[in-house]
Amino acid sequence: SQQGEEDPQALSIQEGENATMNCSYKTSINNLQWYRQNSGRGLVHLILIRSNEREKHSGRLRVTLDTSKKSSSLLITASRAADTASYFCATAVKNSGNTPLVFGKGTRLSVIA
Amino acid sequence: GAVVSQHPSRVICKSGTSVKIECRSLDFQATTMFWYRQFPKQSLMLMATSNEGSKATYEQGVEKDKFLINHASLTLSTLTVTSAHPEDSSFYICSAREAGAYNYEQYFGPGTRLTVT
Repeated sequence: SQQGEEDPQALSIQEGENATMNCSYKTSINNLQWYRQNSGRGLVHLILIRSNEREKHSGRLRVTLDTSKKSSSLLITASRAADTASYFCATAVKNSGNTPLVFGKGTRLSVIA
Repeated sequence: GAVVSQHPSRVICKSGTSVKIECRSLDFQATTMFWYRQFPKQSLMLMATSNEGSKATYEQGVEKDKFLINHASLTLSTLTVTSAHPEDSSFYICSAREAGAYNYEQYFGPGTRLTVT
């Protein structure tokens, strides 16, 4: 089963613009992770944010987490054509050490050069 | 570190045949491995969880007799799609969790593209 939704489902922007993707989830979590997937390829881990963290940065990526709203956002600044991919959030359910990551539906990002 | 491999990366088979996909943790011991399936333009859906030395736990709606999972060692899990049909064509991704891992870390393989003709 899937935890929740990503929003928007698809996003098209010009190179240099910022891209914001949102993720909502349903249960209490230990952490939330964002992954990128290029078409037909495997997953690339981008960033992990723990439930007691509110914001995290990694290069051009900024992730926020609001556990009261059960939501997270991924911001990619100064986007590049190479950022074109699908982006998924995945949650690790709290106090369930052996349960797998549960993925959202994903956002398909297109960055136009 | 924490590399997971899958073999084969692509496979085409005829309807009615069986296909085995291997998932290996290359530099760590994985007590738990997960198998996901991804249809085009969709997200990853968990199929089953396998623990080394015990039977796999399948998600609702996944036929255990059709998708045979064997986790015979701490570094290898296999998924066998039996009597494959065109609707089984999909991208299969395995993931492994290291023994004693904290932070719920999972490491993903590169995926196997199965096409059933």
